[in-house]
Amino acid sequence: AQSVTQLDSQVPVFEEAPVELRCNYSSSVSVYLFWYVQYPNQGLQLLLKYLSGSTLVKGINGFEAEFNKSQTSFHLRKPSVHISDTAEYFCAVSEVPGTASKLTFGTGTRLQVTL
Amino acid sequence: GAVVSQHPSRVICKSGTSVKIECRSLDFQATTMFWYRQFPKKSLMLMATSNEGSKATYEQGVEKDKFLINHASLTLSTLTVTSAHPEDSSFYICSAGRTSAQYFGPGTRLTVT
Repeated sequence: AQSVTQLDSQVPVFEEAPVELRCNYSSSVSVYLFWYVQYPNQGLQLLLKYLSGSTLVKGINGFEAEFNKSQTSFHLRKPSVHISDTAEYFCAVSEVPGTASKLTFGTGTRLQVTL
Repeated sequence: GAVVSQHPSRVICKSGTSVKIECRSLDFQATTMFWYRQFPKKSLMLMATSNEGSKATYEQGVEKDKFLINHASLTLSTLTVTSAHPEDSSFYICSAGRTSAQYFGPGTRLTVT
């Protein structure tokens, strides 16, 4: 069975500072990894995904993530955050590629950006 | 592309009544959609996989007779919460798959009084 761990429930950061949101996963097979962002009272928006190929994945809004197989991690980074990045961020994993694949989510990390 | 809508966005109902939530893929066809439930400040819990033209697949612990799912077309799945009770109050989110990722609807806030 697959699982996802987001160790940080909250990450406070000042505007224009860099940020890293941590995600570790466990799985017995190959995985496909995703980061989603959720703004208050809204659904989830896909930030980026790793399916294969380059381990450094660039997404929307200036975010990027790096797949590290040996450390079973997929940390999300942004070099300079904005107030508008304040939201809940979810890491998710799937063991099957394709549109019918179930996702297992981490518990989420609340990114709080302040002036 | 890959827009998913949900209706209604909010609904308040009385205990014992049933509520239907619609999930539509607006610009693509989805043979598979997923229904999630999210508790306050919690992650998403997969409730069931909705398959077009066949029965839904429910996750362990989810009552299929209480949460009825119908996937009648390639762009529409519905979730009906039957005989709703206050403990069913939650944020329900659907998703549809396209190009190896899931795209989520905006969610439906259900409050049962």
